[in-house]
Parts: sequence; structure tokens; C-alpha cells
Amino acid sequence: GPKVLQIPSHQIIDMGQMVTLNCDPVSNHLYFYWYKQILGQQMEFLVNFYNGKVMEKSKLFKDQFSVERPDGSYFTLKIQPTALEDSAVYFCASSLEGARNTGQLYFGEGSKLTVL
Amino acid sequence: GNSVTQMQGQVTLSEEEFLFINCTYSTTGYPTLFWYVQYPGEGPQLLLKVTTANNKGSSRGFEATYDKGTTSFHLQKASVQESDSAVYYCVLGRDTNAYKVIFGKGTHLHVLP
Repeated sequence: GPKVLQIPSHQIIDMGQMVTLNCDPVSNHLYFYWYKQILGQQMEFLVNFYNGKVMEKSKLFKDQFSVERPDGSYFTLKIQPTALEDSAVYFCASSLEGARNTGQLYFGEGSKLTVL
Repeated sequence: GNSVTQMQGQVTLSEEEFLFINCTYSTTGYPTLFWYVQYPGEGPQLLLKVTTANNKGSSRGFEATYDKGTTSFHLQKASVQESDSAVYYCVLGRDTNAYKVIFGKGTHLHVLP
């Protein structure tokens, strides 16, 4: 089936550094999402993105977070600067339709971020 | 507000036993309801979805009925296998002007051989 690719699969950085997580969504999809999952806990919505804009973001999407998808390339999540509480697995997802149109989300395998 | 409640954090069964995972939701309007499954080291993947109230969805022996009266979407399977061991998420898709889906906390199913 359709695949979402996430790079890197694992990254370890020092607190205060910048990190960029990359997502290659399904090729014809239009909606993009980031979710955060702390080990053993639930999936928490961060942000969704459509037509070059953030449509909605949660309280977890702090000012240090940003997303973009320049010219149809990777959909990226940038954290600058990072904090200890940012340690988690970040899942990218994409869908052809939005949730309003009952769109199914396709998830990547996650990028595990460890902030020391 | 919009929320999904899964009371069971973990369920342990033996093979061929009956599975029941509880899910209730709260929202306005007419949501789409999903069950996603997450295997170790992978992202969640769609198990089944139901878009219309009082309809039932099914896949790979799992089934769930969208009950608008009780605002529930419980997951069932008549006979589980060890390969069904995973985390199961009940998920709400809103049909308002937002473009996100809301996950429940997940239920970790452990099936003993």
C-alpha cells in the first residue's frame, strides 16, 4: 500500500540544538500531519498542513516548532531550540482528503528524537 | 469538546478467546470513526472505519458498530491470534471545519500462544 517515509528514524541531540525531522508523504496526498508519542503513551496531535499553510495546531505545538513543505519536497518539522520534554517519537501522516471528508491517514514509522 | 475514551489500557487474552475493546466518544455533528492498529516499531495503520451512524465496519475478523445512541464504537473479534498483539486506537474524525483526527489513549492487546 501507500508508504510514508520518515528520515531520520532516530536522532540524538543536545538540549538547545535545532533538529529537523523529514517526511516524504504519499505522492498524491494533500493533507499532512505531525503527531507526537511519548514512550508508552497515546498519539497526540501536533499540527496539520494543507495547501502550504498550517490549518490547525495543538497546545503541544510550541513556538519553537515550525512546519513547511517547500515546493512539494519533504514535509518537515523543525524544533529550535529543543528541550528535554521534546524527547518522543514523532509520526508524520498524510491523507488524500481531510478529516472532514473522512480521509484515512497513512502514517510513517516514526522518528525517535532523544534530547539529552 | 471532542474526545475519545478507551478505559482499558491493557488486555491480555489467550489465542482463540473473544476480544472486546471499549470505546466511547464525545463530539458534535456526525463524525467518522476509525480503529487504527499499531504494531511494535511501526506507525498506526487503519484497521477499519465507519462513516455512517448505526453501520458496522469489519476487517480481518475485527468488527465495530457506530452506535450514535450510546456514542460508542467498541471493537470485537470472535477469536484472537497471537499475531493480533498490538496497540489498538479508537479514533474520531471530525467533520467540522477542522482537519484532524483525535486518538484515544490506546489499548495494548497481548495474546498469549
